[in-house]
Amino acid sequence: NAGVMQNPRHLVRRRGQEARLRCSPMKGHSHVYWYRQLPEEGLKFMVYLQKENIIDESGMPKERFSAEFPKEGPSILRIQQVVRGDSAAYFCASSPWVSGANVLTFGAGSRLTVL
Amino acid sequence: GENVEQHPSTLSVQEGDSAVIKCTYSDSASNYFPWYKQELGKRPQLIIDIRSNVGEKKDQRIAVTLNKTAKHFSLHITETQPEDSAVYFCAASNPQGAQKLVFGQGTRLTINP
Repeated sequence: NAGVMQNPRHLVRRRGQEARLRCSPMKGHSHVYWYRQLPEEGLKFMVYLQKENIIDESGMPKERFSAEFPKEGPSILRIQQVVRGDSAAYFCASSPWVSGANVLTFGAGSRLTVL
Repeated sequence: GENVEQHPSTLSVQEGDSAVIKCTYSDSASNYFPWYKQELGKRPQLIIDIRSNVGEKKDQRIAVTLNKTAKHFSLHITETQPEDSAVYFCAASNPQGAQKLVFGQGTRLTINP
């Protein structure tokens, strides 16, 4: 079991460019969560998805950010027109369905640097 | 929505001593409380979790206690070792709705040799 796979591990973008971060959940996991971690800070929830459905996007900025988890392929977090404040580590986590509580396993993260 | 507060933000203890990190949560419906350890530049890793039908859980040198009435839970690490140095995050999850984890702000634990 390869665990939660994220790529790229490091991404450098100039202001105004687009960033695409990918996440493949663990085998057998149908739920994907995206979290953002600013340097020296905690993990902030962004979005929770199941296959082809966004379940909770209450942590997503209203503009420039979008996420998807298609029927086939990885989940993608897309940031359009990046700004310096978007520089952060973006962690994806996945879980199976467990009634009452979802145990999250995290990927290694994608570190975005905006120049 | 849920709000999780974590204290202290930094903690320094002598090797071999115990460390305690405390968290409070706001949503009385939350029923799952995991603790994650994050080493520098690495992913958060689950070290122990507790569900609301249990008051205490122990795994070797690590234990977690939960007080549902007071809405707080704590992580206890005994006989600390240098490899325990890391940032520790508590979290809470509500079974209704999205079941997402809401994290505390983190505690940077340093074990002094």
